[in-house]
Amino acid sequence: NAGVTQTPKFQVLKTGQSMTLQCAQDMNHNSMYWYRQDPGMGLRLIYYSASEGTTDKGEVPNGYNVSRLNKREFSLRLESAAPSQTSVYFCASSGPSGGSGQFFGPGTRLTVL
Amino acid sequence: AQSVTQPDIHITVSEGASLELRCNYSYGATPYLFWYVQSPGQGLQLLLKYFSGDTLVQGIKGFEAEFKRSQSSFNLRKPSVHWSDAAEYFCAVTGGGNKLTFGTGTQLKVEL
Repeated sequence: NAGVTQTPKFQVLKTGQSMTLQCAQDMNHNSMYWYRQDPGMGLRLIYYSASEGTTDKGEVPNGYNVSRLNKREFSLRLESAAPSQTSVYFCASSGPSGGSGQFFGPGTRLTVL
Repeated sequence: AQSVTQPDIHITVSEGASLELRCNYSYGATPYLFWYVQSPGQGLQLLLKYFSGDTLVQGIKGFEAEFKRSQSSFNLRKPSVHWSDAAEYFCAVTGGGNKLTFGTGTQLKVEL
């Protein structure tokens, strides 16, 4: 099992460019998440998907969109990148209840110039 | 709303010494609590979790944590730290749903 995979690992964008971060999990989890990690701020939830076909905003959704393509895949899109979106982005997945914990991908390091 | 406080931003310990990382949470009912570890350039790995039963929980890599309801704490401990334990540690809480709230992390440095 690969667990949670993310592509790309690194990306540099110019202000105003768009891109999509890809995430896939092979654990048959229903729930998937996108976080951003910034120094001194821990992880902040951008969007999550409790099940295939549903998505909900998290703590910091502005400037992002998501698509739950199927049970395995959950993508994050930046339509017009801004320097404030320079961050490390993590995808995670979890089983049916809160007690199972979340499993994280290796992250995407994004720099917006 | 649920929240997590990790009061120590940085901690330095000598290899072989004991370790305790502090975590305080705020939640109205019995929480689900987690500790994660993040090595440089890596994703987060689940160390251990608590949601009911014995208040002392064992995790991977020799870590343990104790849930103290009266103190709203879930501190992480290890009797003897190894150089490979140097990493950032995150405490997290949820009320049983799937949305986790993370603390801001504690960076652990291990002196040889």
